[in-house]
Formats: sequence, C-alpha cells, structure tokens
Amino acid sequence: NAGVTQTPKFQVLKTGQSMTLQCAQDMNHNSMYWYRQDPGMGLRLIYYSASEGTTDKGEVPNGYNVSRLNKREFSLRLESAAPSQTSVYFCASSEDYSNQPQHFGDGTRLSIL
Amino acid sequence: QKEVEQDPGPLSVPEGAIVSLNCTYSNSAFQYFMWYRQYSRKGPELLMYTYSSGNKEDGRFTAQVDKSSKYISLFIRDSQPSDSATYLCATPGGGADGLTFGKGTHLIIQP
Repeated sequence: NAGVTQTPKFQVLKTGQSMTLQCAQDMNHNSMYWYRQDPGMGLRLIYYSASEGTTDKGEVPNGYNVSRLNKREFSLRLESAAPSQTSVYFCASSEDYSNQPQHFGDGTRLSIL
Repeated sequence: QKEVEQDPGPLSVPEGAIVSLNCTYSNSAFQYFMWYRQYSRKGPELLMYTYSSGNKEDGRFTAQVDKSSKYISLFIRDSQPSDSATYLCATPGGGADGLTFGKGTHLIIQP
C-alpha cells in the first residue's frame, strides 16, 4: 500500500527560484496537510485542506501557496524560494478534519542556497 | 508555555529494558492523543491513538493518559534496537489547526 506519496524526495534550489512539491494519497481521505520540520522547532502546519475544494492557512503560511487538485492530490508551491525555507516538508492526510489521526509521507528535503 | 512538551533526550537504554516516554500538555480540554515514531529520513508513523484517560495496549506498546495531571506516556516492553527512533506525541487540540506536536524524544536502544 502506497499511502501518502511525496515527490521529489530531494531538491536543491537557488534563492528566488520557484518549485512545486507534489503529494498524493490513495486512502480516499478527505483532509490533507502540509507541514515543515526544522531542528528545534518540531513539526509546524503550513496549509491544510479540510475537504476537496477548500484550503486554509496554518501556523506558518507566508511564502507558500497550495492547490487541492482533486481528492487525492495536494500540492505546495514556493513562488520565490528563500534560504529560510530550507527544511523537510511533510504531506499528511486524514479521513476527515476532526480528531482523526494523520498519516504522513516520507518527506521532501529542500535546500535553498 | 508550549501546549505539548517533551524532553528531547537522547534517552539511551539497554536492549530488553522497559522504556517510558512522556509528554505533558497544557489544556485540559484536549481529549485525543497520538504517538508517532519517526526513523531518520522518514516520515512520522502512527503508533498509538487514544481517547481520554486510561490505557491502550498494542503488542509491546502501551499508551497511557492521565488527564488529572495532563500527562501522557508511551511504554515499550522488551525494547529492541529497531525501536531506536524519535517518538513524537501529538494532539488535535491546541491553538493551531491540524495536529500540535511535541518536539520529540530521541530514543537509542543499545544492543
């Protein structure tokens, strides 16, 4: 079972470049999330989509945009990458946006030079 | 005050020992709690999902919630080197949408 699949796994960008991180889930989940994980900061929510057709900001949305392409896919876009966006990005999904546990992909490691 | 606190460790124990991992939380309204295991260069993997107080057991793992003291614990029996990982507690409560995570405890099981 694939679960949550993220692409790419690694990426190096130069400051100012743009990039889209892709996420797809095959669990028929309604809700999807993007987190970033930084040393000493833990996991922080960037954006989420409670259901197909909706997106909302999380704790650290500045510099990012998202698109819920369909029920399976949720992408994260960096329009003009900055070194502060160097991080590991995780996509997650859950059955719905309530108290359900979330299931995570294996992350995208992004370095901005 | 952080809403979910965890000691970052590292916590190093010999193989076969009982491991106790702990989190405290600040808001007595939190009712659902999760434990995730994260191996190096991997995503968090759901281990346990509990509601309210009491114990929940799954194989060598037991999750315990003490709402009176706002304390959650994960016990690992007969610990194995393969249990070496970072363990994260989380709750869907909190000021942020999504899950509020502790920062994780790095566990090392020595063969």
